[in-house]
Amino acid sequence: KQEVTQIPAALSVPEGENLVLNCSFTDSAIYNLQWFRQDPGKGLTSLLLIQSSQREQTSGRLNASLDKSSGRSTLYIAASQPGDSATYLCAVRVYSGYALNFGKGTSLLVTP
Amino acid sequence: GAVVSQHPSWVICKSGTSVKIECRSLDFQATTMFWYRQFPKQSLMLMATSNEGSKATYEQGVEKDKFLINHASLTLSTLTVTSAHPEDSSFYICSAAGGVTEAFFGQGTRLTVV
Repeated sequence: KQEVTQIPAALSVPEGENLVLNCSFTDSAIYNLQWFRQDPGKGLTSLLLIQSSQREQTSGRLNASLDKSSGRSTLYIAASQPGDSATYLCAVRVYSGYALNFGKGTSLLVTP
Repeated sequence: GAVVSQHPSWVICKSGTSVKIECRSLDFQATTMFWYRQFPKQSLMLMATSNEGSKATYEQGVEKDKFLINHASLTLSTLTVTSAHPEDSSFYICSAAGGVTEAFFGQGTRLTVV
């Protein structure tokens, strides 16, 4: 069974810092990996989707990398802002059309 | 991205009553829908997978008679929590997929059973 782990569980940084969120998964045979943002009491916002054949994806200040062989992904947030405060979830899909396996998330607080 | 609409966004019900949650794909045909549950400070856990026109497949530990899932059309799936109890209070969220690599999520439903 695919297990997804996210480290750290919580993170507090001052505005402007660059930061890295980590995600690891136990089975390297994945179809794709997705990073989401979840605001308190809200649904999920998809940030980046990385196919198994890709090494990284970028969107604005966000960059996600994937090292499938080692079972790791990182989400890099550049020049953090208070509006980035949220929980960030990593999820992997084992096969096309299958459900996502989620990590517990990293709760990020960016202070002004 | 595609739009998935989930209603209601929150609901409070009395213990013993049933609650229905709707999940609609607005601009694509969802051949598969997934229902997840999230307890406070926990990850999203898959409850069941439903394919249009077929019976849902439930994950281990999820009572299929308590959580009734209907996926009668390519744009609508419903989750009915029957005889709800306080321990069913949670955040329920649906995800729809339809022949693409990415699944799209609804806004979620906060269920509180009193």
